[in-house]
Amino acid sequence: QSALTQPASVSGSPGQSITISCTGTSSDVGGYNYVSWYQQHPGKAPKLMIYDVSNRPSGVSNRFSGSKSGNTASLTISGLQAEDEADYYCSSYTSSSTLIFGGGTKLTVL
Amino acid sequence: QLQLQESGPGLVQPSETLSLTCTVSGGSISSGTYYWGWIRQPPGKGLEWIGSIYYSGSTYYNPSLKSRVIILVDTSKNQFSLQLGSVTAADTAVYYCARSRKYCSGVSCYPARFDPWGQGTLGTVSS
Repeated sequence: QSALTQPASVSGSPGQSITISCTGTSSDVGGYNYVSWYQQHPGKAPKLMIYDVSNRPSGVSNRFSGSKSGNTASLTISGLQAEDEADYYCSSYTSSSTLIFGGGTKLTVL
Repeated sequence: QLQLQESGPGLVQPSETLSLTCTVSGGSISSGTYYWGWIRQPPGKGLEWIGSIYYSGSTYYNPSLKSRVIILVDTSKNQFSLQLGSVTAADTAVYYCARSRKYCSGVSCYPARFDPWGQGTLGTVSS
């Protein structure tokens, strides 16, 4: 199974909004509403930020939001803060009863 | 609060088997609401799902690793384990265990989303 496609890097200034895309196929992202997003700071374990396309776990800032259109899911971070600088990964359930991750996106806060 | 902790030898010889255990505390591994999974991350690279197990022993594996992977559960110890055989340097990675929410559609159930995660343990394959 091939990894979901994410941009290698994105950047933004404090206070701005950025969007990270995650492109798959109709067999994964497009076929199920089981897309999740993870934030990973250097040397730390990933943290769930969004699940089921657009739901936020308790304790996650409402500056983080998720959406999906066709085979592409998106993570939007509004009001960028320095602490948002991290790697972000998307994940999806697939029609083969497996789970697949994106290649990861490095977010730089300028 | 649920916590997961990985443990196991940090160094494995090429062609041998990497064996790791994940101990769950603050909750029961026998909860019918969750699967329990392994994910790895080679140094400087992205995340790769290895597989997931239900407390009953039902498993799902990454097809690219399936021939070399065994995931087992021990409900009496509230633990689940990973065995990865015939390892090479390409298997060097940080190995994470995590809880997965169970989703069902009709009679089929499967894992999705990982939360929380263990802190991870580095498994190095080297002679």
